Amino acid sequence: QKEVEQDPGPLSVPEGAIVSLNCTYSNSAFQYFMWYRQYSRKGPELLMYTYSSGNKEDGRFTAQVDKSSKYISLFIRDSQPSDSATYLCAIGFNFNKFYFGSGTKLNVKP
Amino acid sequence: GAVVSQHPSRVICKSGTSVKIECRSLDFQATTMFWYRQFPKKSLMLMATSNEGSKATYEQGVEKDKFLINHASLTLSTLTVTSAHPEDSSFYICSARGPTGLNEKLFFGSGTQLSVL
Repeated sequence: QKEVEQDPGPLSVPEGAIVSLNCTYSNSAFQYFMWYRQYSRKGPELLMYTYSSGNKEDGRFTAQVDKSSKYISLFIRDSQPSDSATYLCAIGFNFNKFYFGSGTKLNVKP
Repeated sequence: GAVVSQHPSRVICKSGTSVKIECRSLDFQATTMFWYRQFPKKSLMLMATSNEGSKATYEQGVEKDKFLINHASLTLSTLTVTSAHPEDSSFYICSARGPTGLNEKLFFGSGTQLSVL
């Protein structure tokens, strides 16, 4: 079983839709949860960071952590064509070791 | 947010030559940096963990003599691909953890596309 599982997509939505991206993980001891956005041939850009559990909101982005289900989500409200990218989750015990999801490719159609 | 600078962004070289990639943390000290390799439409594959002033820790299957890592200062780590071959062609990305404290996170460089002819 992989440490982190993420649906690769692609996920195609119309502009303005609410997007839900998810990852599941295997180890209940993981404490650090991050979401990155990666455009083609670019380095990942940190979007959201959560330690332990709970929700965090930043503009159109909301990150949720459900430790009981070992499930994390990233919601994008009012999605824009510029949100089209690959979204990676990163989960770990500490900052010395992170496990990355395979990435979900999102396409927001104008 | 914190900035990690990586260059070159793209390099094309002949088979048998060596290529050096630099990763710098611009506004924080990074005691630990990481090097990844990414194949098209695949996720990041951790190659090695680089700690300032000590030898890098390589992941299983990564040849330490081929991928030389040096972390000589708190803001700079380098990856040298020695005697590059076409199969080394890939997208290489570095990351740095920092800044130390409650706001510590993991920040990535912009990546280097290596093409070996």
